[in-house]
Amino acid sequence: EIVLTQSPATLSLSPGERATLSCRASQSVSSYLAWYQQKPGQAPRLLIYDASNRATGIPARFSGSGSGTDFTLTISSLEPEDFAVYYCQQRSGWPPGVTFGQGTKLEIK
Amino acid sequence: EVQLVQSGAEVKKPGESLKISCQGSGYSFTTYWIGWVRQMPGKGLEWMGIIYPGDSDTKYRPSFQGQVTISADKSISTAYLQWSSLKASDTAMYYCVRGGDQPLAPSAEYVHHWGQGTLVTVSS
Repeated sequence: EIVLTQSPATLSLSPGERATLSCRASQSVSSYLAWYQQKPGQAPRLLIYDASNRATGIPARFSGSGSGTDFTLTISSLEPEDFAVYYCQQRSGWPPGVTFGQGTKLEIK
Repeated sequence: EVQLVQSGAEVKKPGESLKISCQGSGYSFTTYWIGWVRQMPGKGLEWMGIIYPGDSDTKYRPSFQGQVTISADKSISTAYLQWSSLKASDTAMYYCVRGGDQPLAPSAEYVHHWGQGTLVTVSS
């Protein structure tokens, strides 16, 4: 099973700052990686798929990069509504081997 | 509009059986896979498995194989997740999920649509 390790576990930033979240895979997943955002009491929503493609309706301040084993989600200028938990997910092992990272909590400093 | 509407919260005792549901609407139910994702209290997301409702082919993540059963009734556009004997460790929120709107595109293997979640509490 492919293990995804996200860092940092918690990121404390202020609105307007740039956020950089990392996801590392235990083996190559090519570009088959997505990022999701989850706010308290809500279901997650898809932000980025195939490493760098924004999902429908996702603001341009969200961007993804990487391939192989190292991936990054960047939020260029944080808005108050961006403070949430972010998960990466790989589909290289589709369908039974799909896995999620453990999450990064982005909190207001 | 694609909607996945899940059944309501459940409180059960250890050893009891349970079947929760997820009804899809706003799309052709048999065209898209339906999956289940577990989120234990205060924890992250865990992929459980999927079903292709058109032929009921199921694929389980190995750690969930034999622990749960995923099924579907295409006549009522509903998918199910069931347990034969619940444990306290099954306490979690369970989300039903669906892929992207272009079923043949590779990106369809990501979760584009989520149900509202069903909270299952198992306690004696």
